[in-house]
Amino acid sequence: ETGVTQTPRHLVMGMTNKKSLKCEQHLGHNAMYWYKQSAKKPLELMFVYNFKEQTENNSVPSRFSPECPNSSHLFLHLHTLQPEDSALYLCASSVRLAGDAGELFFGEGSRLTVL
Amino acid sequence: AQKITQTQPGMFVQEKEAVTLDCTYDTSDQSYGLFWYKQPSSGEMIFLIYQGSYDEQNATEGRYSLNFQKARKSANLVISASQLGDSAMYFCAMRLNTGNQFYFGTGTSLTVIP
Repeated sequence: ETGVTQTPRHLVMGMTNKKSLKCEQHLGHNAMYWYKQSAKKPLELMFVYNFKEQTENNSVPSRFSPECPNSSHLFLHLHTLQPEDSALYLCASSVRLAGDAGELFFGEGSRLTVL
Repeated sequence: AQKITQTQPGMFVQEKEAVTLDCTYDTSDQSYGLFWYKQPSSGEMIFLIYQGSYDEQNATEGRYSLNFQKARKSANLVISASQLGDSAMYFCAMRLNTGNQFYFGTGTSLTVIP
């Protein structure tokens, strides 16, 4: 079982649909992240949660709504998306321990296509 | 503001040769960490190597080493003895030690030629 699991791996939705992306981490980490990866652009940080509390919201449109019910689960609720929202959505987690790098552990991503 | 710059959109290297992927960063903070990730075509980001801003020695992890030049604000990744499986996108990233946010570059696509 991988450390960070994302479902679904692929999602096709219309602009009027409502769907959700799910992320689960089994690493005991306290911080969870959503990143958007579009072609030829740097990874864009969307949201950061630390101990279930949102600590970063990078001016993300309200059609993206995160939810973090506990330190192991993170959701991204999607509604009335636009075609330009089509991208790979990556979930990650991390923990900061003394002497550790505190690197991000990523899931395999959810490839979203908005028609 | 923090920024990561990777100026090589694509690189080619012969199998078994060494290759250097460039990364420069910009920050006014003194305490930070630098990371390199590999992203194969499958999409998952794989952590490769880490360098702390106060580490005096360059980090090494197997065939990966990080050429850290703090005064130049560069953190180049060196891959020795390239293998076909090294073909992937490579991303440089930075995190300030005061926060949880990671800043990523635009990546370098590496192709290893047999």
